[in-house]
Amino acid sequence: EAQVTQNPRYLITVTGKKLTVTCSQNMNHEYMSWYRQDPGLGLRQIYYSMNVEVTDKGDVPEGYKVSRKEKRNFPLILESPSPNQTSLYFCASSLSSHSIYEAFFGQGTRLTVV
Amino acid sequence: SQKIEQNSEALNIQEGKTATLTCNYTNYSPAYLQWYRQDPGRGPVFLLLIRENEKEKRKERLKVTFDTTLKQSLFHITASQPADSATYLCALDGGGGFKTIFGAGTRLFVKA
Repeated sequence: EAQVTQNPRYLITVTGKKLTVTCSQNMNHEYMSWYRQDPGLGLRQIYYSMNVEVTDKGDVPEGYKVSRKEKRNFPLILESPSPNQTSLYFCASSLSSHSIYEAFFGQGTRLTVV
Repeated sequence: SQKIEQNSEALNIQEGKTATLTCNYTNYSPAYLQWYRQDPGRGPVFLLLIRENEKEKRKERLKVTFDTTLKQSLFHITASQPADSATYLCALDGGGGFKTIFGAGTRLFVKA
């Protein structure tokens, strides 16, 4: 089954404690991205990756890091989480960054930073 | 600046009626526009894509229109059912056919 898998689904952490949210896709997609979703603001792109070892900032990259060492995996790293990073996070993948291709989303990770 | 607007107020309709959701955009000239469905706490799921040279696209009970003059897309669900209750997001290319930008979505409630 074609899917994007994120882990964990729920995470409560304390300010400053480094965390990683994993994302993996099994569709051999080149393009992967991370979004955060906050009420009234919609999906905002954090980082994206056009292919292995190619990553770039989205609209709200501050406080986040990513890496793309393998095509299937695109982890999101919060080196020093802060309460304003409390949000619902989604990983997505598509064949390419071209908007003609649909995005496949993971189940989401609800992060709470206290 | 570029902006996508979807009605932030929830839409409440009766089962069997046609639901119509609106997506307006400014300062974009998208070549493609997509619609997604999102259930609470879940990731968005792709529904339909319409190209700028297509006026209308249909898929089962769904119909999407794309008016590049009005800078607007309408999303219709005919014979709506309670199971259609969800948030619907429009998404368009941010320019040049790349970088998809998402609207904030409109919540639809279909009452039995």
